[in-house]
Amino acid sequence: KQEVTQIPAALSVPEGENLVLNCSFTDSAIYNLQWFRQDPGKGLTSLLLIQSSQREQTSGRLNASLDKSSGRSTLYIAASQPGDSATYLCAVLNTGGFKTIFGAGTRLFVKA
Amino acid sequence: EAQVTQNPRYLITVTGKKLTVTCSQNMNHEYMSWYRQDPGLGLRQIYYSMNVEVTDKGDVPEGYKVSRKEKRNFPLILESPSPNQTSLYFCASSSTGRLAGEQYFGPGTRLTVT
Repeated sequence: KQEVTQIPAALSVPEGENLVLNCSFTDSAIYNLQWFRQDPGKGLTSLLLIQSSQREQTSGRLNASLDKSSGRSTLYIAASQPGDSATYLCAVLNTGGFKTIFGAGTRLFVKA
Repeated sequence: EAQVTQNPRYLITVTGKKLTVTCSQNMNHEYMSWYRQDPGLGLRQIYYSMNVEVTDKGDVPEGYKVSRKEKRNFPLILESPSPNQTSLYFCASSSTGRLAGEQYFGPGTRLTVT
């Protein structure tokens, strides 16, 4: 059964710092991996989607990588800002069923 | 504007009173899905649908029903709600072409069952 783990569970950094959020999964049979952002009490905003055949995707200050063989993805945030404070979630879409499994998230706080 | 809509956004009901939460998307997506989000348990998939008349169970389907009679709509039905179904519910959709697309989420429905 697919399990998705996100480390760390919470992170507090000063403004301007570069940071890395981690997502690991136990079954490499995935279609894709998607990173989301969720603000308190709000819905999910898609940040980046990486197909299983891709190694990385970039959008502005965000870069996500995927190493399917080792079951790992990282989300790199450059020059963090207080507006980046939110919970970041990763989700994998499994092959052989199209189930989606989410990690528990990393709660990020960027101090001004 | 491409979007996923859910109604109602907030609902307070009593145990046993049947309810339906609607979900609609305007992107002609094949894949639609329902999730619930609970503190400490994260987001868990309830049901999903690959296309019209094709549905399958996620990880927590007990107590829920779904139907997919039209491509754009995917209602979630609670035949006899119980307090343990109090949660924040999200609907999502995506394409399933040659490469499975990104999932777009609705704004959420906060359900309280007393």
